[in-house]
Amino acid sequence: KQEVTQIPAALSVPEGENLVLNCSFTDSAIYNLQWFRQDPGKGLTSLLLIQSSQREQTSGRLNASLDKSSGRSTLYIAASQPGDSATYLCAVSQGGKLIFGQGTELSVKP
Amino acid sequence: SAVISQKPSRDICQRGTSLTIQCQVDSQVTMMFWYRQQPGQSLTLIATANQGSEATYESGFVIDKFPISRPNLTFSTLTVSNMSPEDSSIYLCSVEFSFGGYNEQFFGPGTRLTVL
Repeated sequence: KQEVTQIPAALSVPEGENLVLNCSFTDSAIYNLQWFRQDPGKGLTSLLLIQSSQREQTSGRLNASLDKSSGRSTLYIAASQPGDSATYLCAVSQGGKLIFGQGTELSVKP
Repeated sequence: SAVISQKPSRDICQRGTSLTIQCQVDSQVTMMFWYRQQPGQSLTLIATANQGSEATYESGFVIDKFPISRPNLTFSTLTVSNMSPEDSSIYLCSVEFSFGGYNEQFFGPGTRLTVL
């Protein structure tokens, strides 16, 4: 059974710092991996999708990497801003379904 | 991507009643999904709803408790039946699009349900 784990559960950083969020999964037979952002009480916004054949994807200040063999993905956020404060979720696609991690709650202090 | 809307955005319900949540997409999609997010938890898939067939439920979820309709390619409903406080959650629908060889899911804004 696929299990997705995100570390740390919560992170607080001062504005301007670069930071890395981690995601690991137990079964490497995935179709793709998505990173989402969720603001409190809201739905999910898709940030980046990495196909199983890819190593990384970039969008603006965000860079996501995927190492399928080791079951790991990272989300790198450059020059963090208070507006980046949210919960970040990773999810792997397997068997036509998304399996989510527990999320990392990020707080960027001005 | 697509514009996905859900109604209601939130509701407070009494124990033992039922609530139907609507999900509307601005384009036709084959695959729609319903998720539950309990307080402080991550998302758990309830069921997959394909137009023209019965919904497929995940382990721990049953049709009598969470009946789903999928009357066309742009609309679906999820009913939470005979509610109890344990059903208090955010319920989210999502749709899947295919892009040049890969599939990506997009989510609605969610319905926040509180059961008293």
